[in-house]
Amino acid sequence: DVQMTQSPSNLAASPGESVSINCKASKSISKYLAWYQQKPGKANKLLIYSGSTLQSGTPSRFSGSGSGTDFTLTIRNLEPEDFGLYYCQQHNEYPPTFGSGTKLEIK
Amino acid sequence: QVQLQQSGTELVKPGSSLKLSCKASGYTFTDYAMQAVKQRPGQGLEWIGYILPWNGVTDYNQKFKGKATLTVDTSSNTAYMELSRLTSDDSAVYYCARSAGQLDWYFDFWGPGTMVTVSS
Repeated sequence: DVQMTQSPSNLAASPGESVSINCKASKSISKYLAWYQQKPGKANKLLIYSGSTLQSGTPSRFSGSGSGTDFTLTIRNLEPEDFGLYYCQQHNEYPPTFGSGTKLEIK
Repeated sequence: QVQLQQSGTELVKPGSSLKLSCKASGYTFTDYAMQAVKQRPGQGLEWIGYILPWNGVTDYNQKFKGKATLTVDTSSNTAYMELSRLTSDDSAVYYCARSAGQLDWYFDFWGPGTMVTVSS
């Protein structure tokens, strides 16, 4: 199985700032990486797939980049609703596997 | 709009079995694979398996073979997951999620999750 390593595990930032979350795959997954947001009491939300394609409804302040083994989720101009947990997931090969998550907190 | 409605919190005894439900609405149920994902408290997400509602074909993460069984009832647009021989390691939140495409490996809509606690 492809192992996904996310960093950092925790991140603190203020509204208006920009942050980046990294995800590294144990082998090449081409461009096939998804990012999800998880918040208490809400369904998990698909933000980005295929590395950089924004899911319908995802604000443009979110962007994804990378290919091969190294990927980044960048959130510019943080809004209060952006704080929560973020997971990466490779969707290049079976079985799909997830990173361990990054908790984005308000500073 | 697409919605996945999952059954409520469960408290069960070790050794028992449990059947969770996931009722879909807002789309054609038989057009998309349904996936199952596990999340232990404070842990990451783990893919369990999928079912193809149009023909009932299933596949499972090797780790969950013999533990989870996915079925569907197309008359009620509902997917089910049965968990057997429950232990404390099965205490987790279980999600159903729709494949983004017919059988894409990323998931565009998720249910709210069902929390399962296994305790005597």
